[in-house]
Amino acid sequence: QQQVKQSPQSLIVQKGGISIINCAYENTAFDYFPWYQQFPGKGPALLIAIRPDVSEKKEGRFTISFNKSAKQFSLHIMDSQPGDSATYFCAALNFGNEKLTFGTGTRLTIIP
Amino acid sequence: DAGVIQSPRHEVTEMGQEVTLRCKPISGHNSLFWYRQTMMRGLELLIYFNNNVPIDDSGMPEDRFSAKMPNASFSTLKIQPSEPRDSAVYFCASSTRRSPRDEQFFGPGTRLTVL
Repeated sequence: QQQVKQSPQSLIVQKGGISIINCAYENTAFDYFPWYQQFPGKGPALLIAIRPDVSEKKEGRFTISFNKSAKQFSLHIMDSQPGDSATYFCAALNFGNEKLTFGTGTRLTIIP
Repeated sequence: DAGVIQSPRHEVTEMGQEVTLRCKPISGHNSLFWYRQTMMRGLELLIYFNNNVPIDDSGMPEDRFSAKMPNASFSTLKIQPSEPRDSAVYFCASSTRRSPRDEQFFGPGTRLTVL
């Protein structure tokens, strides 16, 4: 059972544009929501994370928006650059059992 | 800092053979996680250890899979016998576990192909 649903599966954005990736979860026991970035041939690396008591978190060009009532959260990449081309995974942590559940990933391609 | 080290990086084997994947976590990290990544199922947690003790192995798909962590600097994931459906990229990750929210640092992965 997929507890964290991620969309879209792939995304093409022009350089300078805004990339938006969406995730939805079902389990209300999740209480921490990180995003991971993965380049080909590499392991995922933490990009940015948010706690559910905050509606938005911004780090540079990357922003997480969180809607607790809708059980949805999204990653926005402003001024997208070719170097942002990677696969992005949302995830959710169940603090009780300390397990991360990942979304299925979004392959982002930034074109010139 | 060398990061999480995994070996081998690529493994090709025939169905029925035993496969052993190796992981060296970041020094000082006391939690270690094994994940499997496939196109169909994405990233799945197989098992995780804390202070060398297996805490949750509910993600291990079958008895053909086993994992050990004999000391703080080494862990293995073994598949015996291997099957074509085990083909995937296997990641090891480690964290300090001061808090479950502590960042998990992933290794480069082992790409396993079972023919």
